[in-house]
Amino acid sequence: AQKITQTQPGMFVQEKEAVTLDCTYDTSDQSYGLFWYKQPSSGEMIFLIYQGSYDEQNATEGRYSLNFQKARKSANLVISASQLGDSAMYFCAMREGGSAGGTSYGKLTFGQGTILTVHP
Amino acid sequence: EAGVVQSPRYKIIEKKQPVAFWCNPISGHNTLYWYLQNLGQGPELLIRYENEEAVDDSQLPKDRFSAERLKGVDSTLKIQPAELGDSAVYLCASSLDLVTGELFFGEGSRLTVL
Repeated sequence: AQKITQTQPGMFVQEKEAVTLDCTYDTSDQSYGLFWYKQPSSGEMIFLIYQGSYDEQNATEGRYSLNFQKARKSANLVISASQLGDSAMYFCAMREGGSAGGTSYGKLTFGQGTILTVHP
Repeated sequence: EAGVVQSPRYKIIEKKQPVAFWCNPISGHNTLYWYLQNLGQGPELLIRYENEEAVDDSQLPKDRFSAERLKGVDSTLKIQPAELGDSAVYLCASSLDLVTGELFFGEGSRLTVL
């Protein structure tokens, strides 16, 4: 089974509009973390935002917010006021807690990504 | 603070040739990762180090791939012999905290096998 599922291969948004990129995850761990990374065409992976499984508040970082719905196992990224520079591939990733010393402890697994295109 | 440094950025080789990639993580980061990223796909973990110990190498094709992290700092990933299907970007990342810390990525090494 896929650990991280991003069902939107591509998304389009008008500049200055908000956009939501979907991410669902699968884990039996109680302790885990969820990450979003941005990868522009230049190739570098840029960290955007982090949500811990025990965090009660949704994480926010500037124009980025994470809509964390634990019961539904979803961690959607919301980008407000889109900019042309937001055009990139976006990856959702999960780090599982597991048991300390086990091979899954701290393992970070990525989804397949969503290509976001911002139109002027 | 310097980021994760990888070299070479680009490498073109013929199949059956060996190739090696080098990674220098952020100073003080105990955990180092090598990921493989195929075009249009998400990164896939090859190997993860905690200091000099490989704590997860279950995804590393050990018949042709090897990695080392001497002294728990720099790391080298080697492929010998390379196959056509190894053409991809090899990403190195490091983190300070094993569970909650974000991963900092290098710019990647793009391998083309002809």
